[in-house]
Amino acid sequence: AQSVTQLGSHVSVSEGALVLLRCNYSSSVPPYLFWYVQYPNQGLQLLLKYTSAATLVKGINGFEAEFKKSETSFHLTKPSAHMSDAAEYFCAVSDQMIKAAGNKLTFGGGTRVLVKP
Amino acid sequence: DTAVSQTPKYLVTQMGNDKSIKCEQNLGHDTMYWYKQDSKKFLKIMFSYNNKELIINETVPNRFSPKSPDKAHLNLHINSLELGDSAVYFCASSPTGGGYTFGSGTRLTVV
Repeated sequence: AQSVTQLGSHVSVSEGALVLLRCNYSSSVPPYLFWYVQYPNQGLQLLLKYTSAATLVKGINGFEAEFKKSETSFHLTKPSAHMSDAAEYFCAVSDQMIKAAGNKLTFGGGTRVLVKP
Repeated sequence: DTAVSQTPKYLVTQMGNDKSIKCEQNLGHDTMYWYKQDSKKFLKIMFSYNNKELIINETVPNRFSPKSPDKAHLNLHINSLELGDSAVYFCASSPTGGGYTFGSGTRLTVV
């Protein structure tokens, strides 16, 4: 069974400061990992994904994440926070994309980011 | 054009009623999903269909019944609604072996 743990349900950062959101996963097979962002009253938007290629993954809006197998982690970072980054962020894990079948995403509990001026 | 569209966006109904939520995707994806997001923002898969075939059916009360008339549509029917069914329900789709595109959600409130 797969699981995802996001450390910190709330993170507060100052505008211009580093954003670091932590995600640890558990998977019995090589995982595929994702970060999604959810703005208030909206659906989830994919920020980036790791699918066993480069371990440092760059996504949209200046975010990036590094896959560390030894630490079973996939932390999300952004060098300089912007007010528009205030949102809920979800880390998710999937087993390998199985052809001809749906791939189930297991989500972490989410981290709400607050950006202070 | 909205890639994954759900209707209605908001749904307020009384306990015991039956309601449906519709989802359509115009991305040509093979697989569609229903996820439930509870009041604490926790997301959990309910169902998944691949080319109209049910492939994932998590532990969900049988009051919930998905229906996929074709691979572009996945509807969710809920019988005998209960207070605990109040949540945001997200539809999503993905190509075979690809990532998800989510709809904007349906906020269901049972009173």
